[in-house]
Amino acid sequence: DAGVIQSPRHEVTEMGQEVTLRCKPISGHNSLFWYRQTMMRGLELLIYFNNNVPIDDSGMPEDRFSAKMPNASFSTLKIQPSEPRDSAVYFCASSLRGTGSSYNEQFFGPGTRLTVL
Amino acid sequence: AQSVAQPEDQVNVAEGNPLTVKCTYSVSGNPYLFWYVQYPNRGLQFLLKYITGDNLVKGSYGFEAEFNKSQTSFHLKKPSALVSDSALYFCAVRDERSSNTGKLIFGQGTTLQVKP
Repeated sequence: DAGVIQSPRHEVTEMGQEVTLRCKPISGHNSLFWYRQTMMRGLELLIYFNNNVPIDDSGMPEDRFSAKMPNASFSTLKIQPSEPRDSAVYFCASSLRGTGSSYNEQFFGPGTRLTVL
Repeated sequence: AQSVAQPEDQVNVAEGNPLTVKCTYSVSGNPYLFWYVQYPNRGLQFLLKYITGDNLVKGSYGFEAEFNKSQTSFHLKKPSALVSDSALYFCAVRDERSSNTGKLIFGQGTTLQVKP
């Protein structure tokens, strides 16, 4: 199993540009999570999907951020326009929704390091 | 309100000595608890989880964690630390409000530094 795949691994862009981050979850997983990690704020949950449907986007910082999951094997996180304060590492994670008392862990991708100049 | 607290920003230990990374939680129902490790420039990796059953949970790389309901704690332990254990460790609890979707609430992380 290749695990969660994220691309690009590094992105450097200029303020005002559009940035698109991509994620391929583990095959068969039905929950997908987007996180942001910075030194100042730690690990923050931005949005998560269950069966391709956005469940909670309350962590999305502002309207410049949007996320989609058109199918079970692909998700994008878009920032438009980007700002220097968006510089962070963005992680995607997936998990298999459990039933009953089972509860399955999240598997994280390697992250995308975004730098906005 | 549900929460997870890791009271130490950093833990320093000598190689070969036992290590403990502390975690306390607050939930209204049964806690589902997790530990993750993050090595530099990597994503988080799952170490172990407590759902039910034995209070001592064994996980990857020789780590274990002890669930203590009366103290609402889930401390991570290892009998003999290795320099390669140096990393950032996160404790997490299931968000009861979205129990069927896999959402977790993460602590702020504890940096473990193991010195040779």
